[in-house]
Amino acid sequence: DAGVTQSPTHLIKTRGQQVTLRCSPKSGHDTVSWYQQALGQGPQFIFQYYEEEERQRGNFPDRFSGHQFPNYSSELNVNALLLGDSALYLCASSLSAALNQPQHFGDGTRLSIL
Amino acid sequence: DQQVKQNSPSLSVQEGRISILNCDYTNSMFDYFLWYKKYPAEGPTFLISISSIKDKNEDGRFTVFLNKSAKHLSLHIVPSQPGDSAVYFCAALGGGSQGNLIFGKGTKLSVKP
Repeated sequence: DAGVTQSPTHLIKTRGQQVTLRCSPKSGHDTVSWYQQALGQGPQFIFQYYEEEERQRGNFPDRFSGHQFPNYSSELNVNALLLGDSALYLCASSLSAALNQPQHFGDGTRLSIL
Repeated sequence: DQQVKQNSPSLSVQEGRISILNCDYTNSMFDYFLWYKKYPAEGPTFLISISSIKDKNEDGRFTVFLNKSAKHLSLHIVPSQPGDSAVYFCAALGGGSQGNLIFGKGTKLSVKP
Protein backbone atom coordinates (compact mmCIF):
# COMPACT_ATOMS: atom_id res chain seq x y z
CA ASP A 1 0.00 0.00 0.00
CA ALA A 2 1.86 3.06 -1.29
CA GLY A 3 1.89 6.07 0.95
CA VAL A 4 2.11 9.69 -0.14
CA THR A 5 4.91 10.22 -2.63
CA GLN A 6 6.46 13.55 -3.60
CA SER A 7 8.90 14.56 -6.30
CA PRO A 8 11.50 15.81 -6.61
CA THR A 9 13.22 15.29 -3.26
CA HIS A 10 15.41 18.36 -3.59
CA LEU A 11 15.37 21.33 -5.91
CA ILE A 12 17.58 24.39 -6.32
CA LYS A 13 16.24 27.47 -8.11
CA THR A 14 17.18 31.12 -8.44
CA ARG A 15 15.10 34.19 -7.64
CA GLY A 16 12.42 34.96 -10.20
CA GLN A 17 12.18 31.42 -11.54
CA GLN A 18 9.13 29.20 -11.43
CA VAL A 19 8.87 25.73 -9.87
CA THR A 20 6.44 22.79 -9.99
CA LEU A 21 6.27 20.20 -7.23
CA ARG A 22 4.34 16.95 -7.55
CA CYS A 23 2.42 14.72 -5.17
CA SER A 24 0.66 11.37 -5.41
CA PRO A 25 -1.76 10.70 -2.55
CA LYS A 26 -2.02 7.57 -0.48
CA SER A 27 -4.06 4.86 -2.19
CA GLY A 28 -7.77 5.43 -1.56
CA HIS A 29 -7.40 9.11 -0.64
CA ASP A 30 -9.09 11.83 -2.68
CA THR A 31 -8.02 15.05 -0.96
CA VAL A 32 -4.59 16.66 -1.15
CA SER A 33 -3.28 19.46 1.05
CA TRP A 34 -0.01 21.36 0.67
CA TYR A 35 2.04 22.80 3.52
CA GLN A 36 5.20 24.92 3.71
CA GLN A 37 7.61 24.24 6.57
CA ALA A 38 10.27 26.88 7.15
CA LEU A 39 13.30 26.09 9.30
CA GLY A 40 12.40 25.84 12.97
CA GLN A 41 8.68 26.23 12.33
CA GLY A 42 5.71 23.93 12.10
CA PRO A 43 4.09 23.24 8.73
CA GLN A 44 1.86 26.07 7.44
CA PHE A 45 -1.19 25.34 5.32
CA ILE A 46 -1.04 26.58 1.72
CA PHE A 47 -4.19 25.11 0.15
CA GLN A 48 -6.29 21.98 -0.21
CA TYR A 49 -7.66 20.32 -3.35
CA TYR A 50 -10.71 18.11 -3.66
CA GLU A 51 -12.55 17.10 -6.83
CA GLU A 52 -9.95 18.99 -8.86
CA GLU A 53 -10.83 22.29 -7.22
CA GLU A 54 -9.18 24.41 -4.55
CA ARG A 55 -11.39 23.96 -1.50
CA GLN A 56 -9.50 25.96 1.11
CA ARG A 57 -6.59 28.35 1.03
CA GLY A 58 -4.21 29.62 3.68
CA ASN A 59 -2.49 32.98 3.88
CA PHE A 60 -0.25 32.63 0.84
CA PRO A 61 0.03 34.99 -2.17
CA ASP A 62 -1.32 34.23 -5.63
CA ARG A 63 2.20 33.26 -6.72
CA PHE A 64 1.31 29.92 -5.13
CA SER A 65 -1.12 27.94 -7.26
CA GLY A 66 -2.07 24.33 -7.62
CA HIS A 67 -3.86 21.70 -9.56
CA GLN A 68 -5.45 18.34 -8.91
CA PHE A 69 -5.79 15.73 -11.63
CA PRO A 70 -8.57 13.15 -12.12
CA ASN A 71 -6.36 10.47 -10.55
CA TYR A 72 -6.19 12.69 -7.38
CA SER A 73 -2.51 13.53 -7.82
CA SER A 74 -1.60 17.17 -7.39
CA GLU A 75 0.92 19.83 -8.34
CA LEU A 76 2.06 22.93 -6.48
CA ASN A 77 3.34 25.79 -8.65
CA VAL A 78 5.24 28.78 -7.35
CA ASN A 79 5.99 31.72 -9.65
CA ALA A 80 8.49 34.56 -9.29
CA LEU A 81 10.44 32.75 -6.59
CA LEU A 82 11.75 34.75 -3.63
CA LEU A 83 14.55 33.88 -1.23
CA GLY A 84 11.89 33.48 1.47
CA ASP A 85 10.28 30.64 -0.47
CA SER A 86 13.15 28.38 0.59
CA ALA A 87 11.50 25.70 2.69
CA LEU A 88 10.35 22.10 2.91
CA TYR A 89 7.11 21.65 0.98
CA LEU A 90 4.92 18.88 2.30
CA CYS A 91 1.99 17.19 0.67
CA ALA A 92 -0.66 15.44 2.76
CA SER A 93 -3.58 13.30 1.67
CA SER A 94 -6.82 12.28 3.31
CA LEU A 95 -10.23 10.85 2.53
CA SER A 96 -12.80 13.59 2.25
CA ALA A 97 -15.72 11.45 3.34
CA ALA A 98 -14.04 10.55 6.63
CA LEU A 99 -14.44 13.26 9.24
CA ASN A 100 -11.73 13.79 11.81
CA GLN A 101 -9.23 11.44 10.28
CA PRO A 102 -5.50 12.17 10.20
CA GLN A 103 -3.81 13.53 7.12
CA HIS A 104 -0.91 11.42 5.90
CA PHE A 105 2.25 13.21 4.80
CA GLY A 106 4.90 12.59 2.20
CA ASP A 107 8.59 13.14 2.88
CA GLY A 108 8.51 16.56 1.22
CA THR A 109 10.44 18.49 -1.38
CA ARG A 110 13.31 20.62 -0.09
CA LEU A 111 13.34 23.82 -2.17
CA SER A 112 16.37 26.10 -2.01
CA ILE A 113 16.34 29.53 -3.64
CA LEU A 114 19.69 31.13 -4.48
CA ASP B 1 -0.77 35.18 16.27
CA GLN B 2 -0.12 31.52 16.96
CA GLN B 3 -3.27 29.49 17.60
CA VAL B 4 -1.33 26.37 18.60
CA LYS B 5 1.66 26.78 20.88
CA GLN B 6 4.35 24.39 21.96
CA ASN B 7 6.36 26.42 24.43
CA SER B 8 9.18 23.94 24.97
CA PRO B 9 11.51 23.79 21.95
CA SER B 10 13.31 20.79 23.41
CA LEU B 11 13.02 18.07 26.04
CA SER B 12 15.59 15.54 27.25
CA VAL B 13 14.53 12.36 29.03
CA GLN B 14 16.27 9.24 30.26
CA GLU B 15 15.38 5.94 28.61
CA GLY B 16 12.60 4.14 30.49
CA ARG B 17 11.23 7.32 32.08
CA ILE B 18 8.10 9.23 31.08
CA SER B 19 8.18 11.95 28.41
CA ILE B 20 5.52 14.66 28.66
CA LEU B 21 5.06 17.03 25.74
CA ASN B 22 2.71 19.96 26.14
CA CYS B 23 0.57 21.99 23.76
CA ASP B 24 -1.75 24.97 24.28
CA TYR B 25 -4.34 26.37 21.89
CA THR B 26 -6.38 29.53 21.74
CA ASN B 27 -9.30 28.74 19.42
CA SER B 28 -12.23 27.11 21.23
CA MET B 29 -13.66 25.97 17.86
CA PHE B 30 -10.91 23.39 17.48
CA ASP B 31 -12.51 19.97 17.94
CA TYR B 32 -9.85 17.49 16.86
CA PHE B 33 -6.23 17.35 17.90
CA LEU B 34 -3.35 15.31 16.56
CA TRP B 35 0.26 14.57 17.39
CA TYR B 36 2.78 13.94 14.65
CA LYS B 37 6.35 12.71 14.97
CA LYS B 38 9.03 13.83 12.53
CA TYR B 39 12.47 12.36 11.94
CA PRO B 40 15.06 14.32 9.94
CA ALA B 41 14.62 14.02 6.14
CA GLU B 42 11.19 12.41 6.58
CA GLY B 43 7.68 13.76 6.54
CA PRO B 44 5.56 13.99 9.70
CA THR B 45 4.12 10.63 10.77
CA PHE B 46 0.74 10.50 12.49
CA LEU B 47 1.04 9.28 16.07
CA ILE B 48 -2.23 9.69 17.96
CA SER B 49 -5.30 11.92 17.98
CA ILE B 50 -8.14 12.95 20.26
CA SER B 51 -11.57 14.34 19.64
CA SER B 52 -12.87 17.16 21.82
CA ILE B 53 -15.64 14.91 23.14
CA LYS B 54 -12.98 12.88 24.97
CA ASP B 55 -10.39 13.81 27.56
CA LYS B 56 -8.02 10.88 27.07
CA ASN B 57 -6.92 8.55 24.30
CA GLU B 58 -4.42 5.73 24.64
CA ASP B 59 -2.44 3.77 22.07
CA GLY B 60 0.24 1.51 23.49
CA ARG B 61 2.98 3.61 25.07
CA PHE B 62 1.32 6.86 23.92
CA THR B 63 -1.47 8.67 25.74
CA VAL B 64 -2.92 12.06 24.87
CA PHE B 65 -4.82 14.09 27.47
CA LEU B 66 -7.14 16.98 26.62
CA ASN B 67 -8.19 19.68 29.08
CA LYS B 68 -10.76 21.77 27.19
CA SER B 69 -11.31 24.31 29.94
CA ALA B 70 -7.59 25.08 30.02
CA LYS B 71 -7.23 24.70 26.23
CA HIS B 72 -4.32 22.40 26.88
CA LEU B 73 -3.28 18.98 25.67
CA SER B 74 -0.35 16.78 26.49
CA LEU B 75 1.30 13.70 25.05
CA HIS B 76 2.70 11.13 27.46
CA ILE B 77 5.18 8.53 26.30
CA VAL B 78 5.94 5.76 28.77
CA PRO B 79 8.37 4.15 28.86
CA SER B 80 10.46 6.39 26.61
CA GLN B 81 12.83 4.69 24.17
CA PRO B 82 15.83 6.07 22.24
CA GLY B 83 13.88 5.51 18.99
CA ASP B 84 11.33 8.05 20.23
CA SER B 85 13.92 10.81 19.71
CA ALA B 86 12.33 13.09 17.11
CA VAL B 87 10.49 16.38 16.74
CA TYR B 88 6.88 16.17 17.93
CA PHE B 89 4.25 18.47 16.46
CA CYS B 90 0.88 19.21 17.97
CA ALA B 91 -1.84 20.08 15.42
CA ALA B 92 -5.46 21.16 15.61
CA LEU B 93 -8.43 20.95 13.28
CA GLY B 94 -11.66 22.87 13.60
CA GLY B 95 -15.24 22.87 12.43
CA GLY B 96 -15.59 19.13 11.84
CA SER B 97 -14.16 19.45 8.35
CA GLN B 98 -11.16 18.00 6.60
CA GLY B 99 -9.74 21.49 6.45
CA ASN B 100 -6.34 22.76 7.24
CA LEU B 101 -4.29 21.50 10.13
CA ILE B 102 -2.82 24.22 12.32
CA PHE B 103 0.54 23.18 13.75
CA GLY B 104 2.66 24.24 16.68
CA LYS B 105 6.38 24.86 16.20
CA GLY B 106 7.33 21.45 17.54
CA THR B 107 9.27 20.04 20.49
CA LYS B 108 12.50 18.15 19.92
CA LEU B 109 12.57 15.11 22.20
CA SER B 110 15.88 13.43 23.00
CA VAL B 111 15.74 10.11 24.84
CA LYS B 112 19.12 9.20 26.28
CA PRO B 113 20.17 5.56 26.82
